[in-house]
Amino acid sequence: NAGVTQTPKFQVLKTGQSMTLQCAQDMNHNSMYWYRQDPGMGLRLIYYSASEGTTDKGEVPNGYNVSRLNKREFSLRLESAAPSQTSVYFCASSRGAISGNTIYFGEGSWLTVV
Amino acid sequence: GDSVTQMEGPVTLSEEAFLTINCTYTATGYPSLFWYVQYPGEGLQLLLKATKADDKGSNKGFEATYRKETTSFHLEKGSVQVSDSAVYFCALITGTASKLTFGTGTRLQVTL
Repeated sequence: NAGVTQTPKFQVLKTGQSMTLQCAQDMNHNSMYWYRQDPGMGLRLIYYSASEGTTDKGEVPNGYNVSRLNKREFSLRLESAAPSQTSVYFCASSRGAISGNTIYFGEGSWLTVV
Repeated sequence: GDSVTQMEGPVTLSEEAFLTINCTYTATGYPSLFWYVQYPGEGLQLLLKATKADDKGSNKGFEATYRKETTSFHLEKGSVQVSDSAVYFCALITGTASKLTFGTGTRLQVTL
């Protein structure tokens, strides 16, 4: 049972470099999300995709772009990495926009920008 | 906007002690409430949820009751184990937003 799979698990970037975090889910979910987790701040929503073909900004979208490639895949791109983007990134998915639906998380990607 | 407030951690307990982690919320409409758990080096796993007032979610000996009158969803366990050591997050979703709003997390450390 793969669930939500994200890659890479660990990455070190230099300031100004770009990279893409990949995410795929095999649960036929409509909605997908990218969160970042920082100490003492819980998880904050970066971007989400309520359904294939749509994306919307979350709480902290600056410095990021996303692509909902198809129903399964939702990537997060850092165009010019900054030390403030050092964080743990989580991809997640759910069946859709009904409040009782459970959101399932990937195992996280640890990103360090030096 | 929606918000979730959790008690500050870390919480340190001896094995078999009683656990309470407080969670209160502010939300428009009628939220669904969740507790997620994060073990060291892992992602978040759903622990339990409740979708309407007075519902009780339960799993692995943990319980939480959705209290609309006090806007609370406190997590409890009667006898904790060392294996329960983790970070616990309270969260909510309202209406059709489908986006979780998280508390800051409470770290639990259980010792022998």
